[in-house]
Amino acid sequence: DAGITQSPRYKITETGRQVTLMCHQTWSHSYMFWYRQDLGHGLRLIYYSAAADITDKGEVPDGYVVSRSKTENFPLTLESATRSQTSVYFCASSESNPSQQYFGPGTRLTVT
Amino acid sequence: AQSVTQLDSQVPVFEEAPVELRCNYSSSVSVYLFWYVQYPNQGLQLLLKYLSGSTLVKGINGFEAEFNKSQTSFHLRKPSVHISDTAEYFCAVIRGGSARQLTFGSGTQLTVLP
Repeated sequence: DAGITQSPRYKITETGRQVTLMCHQTWSHSYMFWYRQDLGHGLRLIYYSAAADITDKGEVPDGYVVSRSKTENFPLTLESATRSQTSVYFCASSESNPSQQYFGPGTRLTVT
Repeated sequence: AQSVTQLDSQVPVFEEAPVELRCNYSSSVSVYLFWYVQYPNQGLQLLLKYLSGSTLVKGINGFEAEFNKSQTSFHLRKPSVHISDTAEYFCAVIRGGSARQLTFGSGTQLTVLP
């Protein structure tokens, strides 16, 4: 039972490059979420999705793009990476909302 | 806008001592409350949640929390901590209504000392 996985786990990229972080869940959960974690800020919601082809902005969406063509996948794309996007990114899923969210192991992204 | 305040960024405590991690939220509407734990280099794991019903909620690993609507608090407690409880703890809130986004506090680092 793989649950929720993220890839890559670590990524170093340069300013201006496009980067895509992958998230995959095996539970067929309706809801999926992307958060970023920065010191002193806890986790902040970037985007979320209530179902395939339905996405909505969270607290900090600028500079990010998401898509959800299949229920199990929810990729996050940084169209032109900036140093301020250096962070740890967590994907999560839940069966309904409000409900417990299940978190992936995270992707540590460094933008140089 | 709702906010979540975790009053202590770091809490050191000796093994087998009791601990309370404080969480206050601001919201004028109904809320759903969660505590998550994050061990080093790992994702977040749910400790406990309050969605409705009894205001005293018991979670995993001996933790419990009490929802106090009048004080808008959801403090986390454990009567006797272990070294393995060393981790970062996050309080989180979903406000009732259409948005239903999870808002996290900034976290409390609990360090259990031998």
